[in-house]
Amino acid sequence: DVKVTQSSRYLVKRTGEKVFLECVQDMDHENMFWYRQDPGLGLRLIYFSYDVKMKEKGDIPEGYSVSREKKERFSLILESASTNQTSMYLCASSLDAYKNQDEQFFGPGTRLTVL
Amino acid sequence: GNSVTQMEGPVTLSEEAFLTINCTYTATGYPSLFWYVQYPGEGLQLLLKATKADDKGSNKGFEATYRKETTSFHLEKGSVQVSDSAVYFCALRALGKLVFGKGTKLTVNP
Repeated sequence: DVKVTQSSRYLVKRTGEKVFLECVQDMDHENMFWYRQDPGLGLRLIYFSYDVKMKEKGDIPEGYSVSREKKERFSLILESASTNQTSMYLCASSLDAYKNQDEQFFGPGTRLTVL
Repeated sequence: GNSVTQMEGPVTLSEEAFLTINCTYTATGYPSLFWYVQYPGEGLQLLLKATKADDKGSNKGFEATYRKETTSFHLEKGSVQVSDSAVYFCALRALGKLVFGKGTKLTVNP
């Protein structure tokens, strides 16, 4: 069974803290994605990676960075957390970056609250 | 640019009622179309997909047909169950990028 796991289901941090959200997939997928999900806005792409050490900005990269040192792991970093980054964060992976028919597999999500 | 518009919720139905959630899209090229479902407290999971015009995706009693002429991919189920209560997302993938609608929350009452 395919699996995408995220390090925490719930996280509470303070404004200004550096926050790491970790995602691991066991499907040997090339591509990994970070989204945030907010009520009324749906899912918005923050960053994605199509290979180790490669990254591309999504639609809302401001205030975030990412790291992909190993194929199976993709980290989202909030350098200095702010209250407007309180959200649900979803990680996903897919086999091929550019095959439209490939589905993305999602992790369970991390609900981050920044106080 | 590419975009997906789906009917706003919330939608509340009684068990065994017929469900339709409308989804229309704008895209260049030849997108694939998806419906994802998010059950309470969980991540998204693929419900069904269609990769070319006139394809019908189906799963767990849900169906959707890729209609290029009307740029639509409406989700239907003939008889909903309480366990279908969830948020449903329509999405398209073009040039590798997945674009989501805003989601429709469905509540099914016994």
